[in-house]
Amino acid sequence: DAKTTQPPSMDCAEGRAANLPCNHSTISGNEYVYWYRQIHSQGPQYIIHGLKNNETNEMASLIITEDRKSSTLILPHATLRDTAVYYCIVRRLNNAGNMLTFGGGTRLMVKP
Amino acid sequence: GAGVSQSPRYKVAKRGQDVALRCDPISGHVSLFWYQQALGQGPEFLTYFQNEAQLDKSGLPSDRFFAERPEGSVSTLKIQRTQQEDSAVYLCASSRQGASTDTQYFGPGTRLTVL
Repeated sequence: DAKTTQPPSMDCAEGRAANLPCNHSTISGNEYVYWYRQIHSQGPQYIIHGLKNNETNEMASLIITEDRKSSTLILPHATLRDTAVYYCIVRRLNNAGNMLTFGGGTRLMVKP
Repeated sequence: GAGVSQSPRYKVAKRGQDVALRCDPISGHVSLFWYQQALGQGPEFLTYFQNEAQLDKSGLPSDRFFAERPEGSVSTLKIQRTQQEDSAVYLCASSRQGASTDTQYFGPGTRLTVL
């Protein structure tokens, strides 16, 4: 699976949008971009995923560039409970390699 | 509805002891995964089951690690003769089908400390 690069940490003011970038310049055409987050002392939680179109759900929006080499996760109105480590993961579309390959993630600190 | 549960939440073992960690996946989920998370790192894959079949154990770090899922539901990760480097959070995840893009739902993890 393609390797991802994320900044190790970011701060965001409460109520403002949090924009978390991810680079995946070696992504292949059959690979999805997934985002998970891990709040302290909890297991990772699925947020959103996409292939090439932008996606939105109740938690976040995912913007994928046209060349698919990078993406941005947007939390439109960050709250203190959004403080967590956010992982950007690329997953291949086949039956082998079902596992998730986590990198170091971005530690997002939402401040009041 | 009930999510993935793991027990115990915390385990302290003396070096050389055997430990068993339990995972109860979401009811009806076909796939089950174990991950190991060292302090300050992202989770790393250990092994994967589809029903009772262990399809991938490439991430198990040594033959001291053994996992089973005999009836295709509850799974146990066993670590024999624990070492200090085994100290980590052990996460279990399940997904509904066996498709590679299925969402994985994680439990809270078991924090193992080996003294």
